[in-house]
Amino acid sequence: EEKVVESGGGLVKPGGSLRLSCVGSGFIFSNYDMSWVRQAPGKGLEWVSSISTGGTYIFYADSFKGRFTTSRDNAKNSLYLQIDSLRAEDTAIYYCARSANIVLTGSIHRWFDSWGQGTLVTVSA
Amino acid sequence: SYVLTQPPSVSVAPGQTARITCGGNNLRNEHVHWYQQRPGQAPVLVVYHDDERPSGIPERFSGSNSGNTATLTIRWVEAGDEADYYCQVWDSRGDHPGWVFGGGTKLTV
Repeated sequence: EEKVVESGGGLVKPGGSLRLSCVGSGFIFSNYDMSWVRQAPGKGLEWVSSISTGGTYIFYADSFKGRFTTSRDNAKNSLYLQIDSLRAEDTAIYYCARSANIVLTGSIHRWFDSWGQGTLVTVSA
Repeated sequence: SYVLTQPPSVSVAPGQTARITCGGNNLRNEHVHWYQQRPGQAPVLVVYHDDERPSGIPERFSGSNSGNTATLTIRWVEAGDEADYYCQVWDSRGDHPGWVFGGGTKLTV
C-alpha cells in the first residue's frame, strides 16, 4: 500500500521552532516530487512548499518564504518541514502530499495523488 | 497569482445530482483537479486532469472544464458524499510557480 505518514506536530510556544517529518512507503520515494499543504482550523487548503525528486528545486508559496524550510532525505524516504519563529496563525494541520504530473503540449500540469493524515501544530503560550 | 472561485456551499437531496463549480480566468486552458475532504479526514483525489478518475473512485464522480468554469458532478448522491470539495490547478505563470486551490465548497446531503 502506498502511503505517507506525518509526525512531529504538537504544542509550541510563540517564537519556537518545530520540525515536521513525513515518511513514504509502498512506492519509490525518490521518484516523486513531494509537498506540504496547510489547513488552518475551519479554513481551506493552502499549498506551502514543494521539493523536487533530488531536492535540487524547492518552491515556496509567497506566504511561506523566510520561516519555512523544506528538505528531504531519499535514503530515509523522508520529507521535512522546518518552521521557525512560530506564530499563532501557524496553528494548522500540516499535510504531506505526493505530487503527480503530466506534460501536455509543452506545459506541465501537477496535482496531489496521495495525502497523509496530517500532523497538528498548535502555537500557543 | 491565479485565483479559483468556488461557491461556499451546495445542497442536494440523496439520489440527486450535485454540481460543484470552480471558476477561473480562461480556466479551459488549465487542467483542473478535485479533492474530497470528509469531516476530520485528509483530502482524497477524486478527479484529475479535468475528467479522469483515480482507481477506486466511483463512476458517479465526473469532471468537466469549459470556458471559465470547471464542474465536478456527483450523480446519485449518497450521505457519504457529504464533504468539502476543493478544485486545484498548477499555476506556472510568472516567476513563482505553484499549486492553487479554490476556497472549497461544502456539500450538504
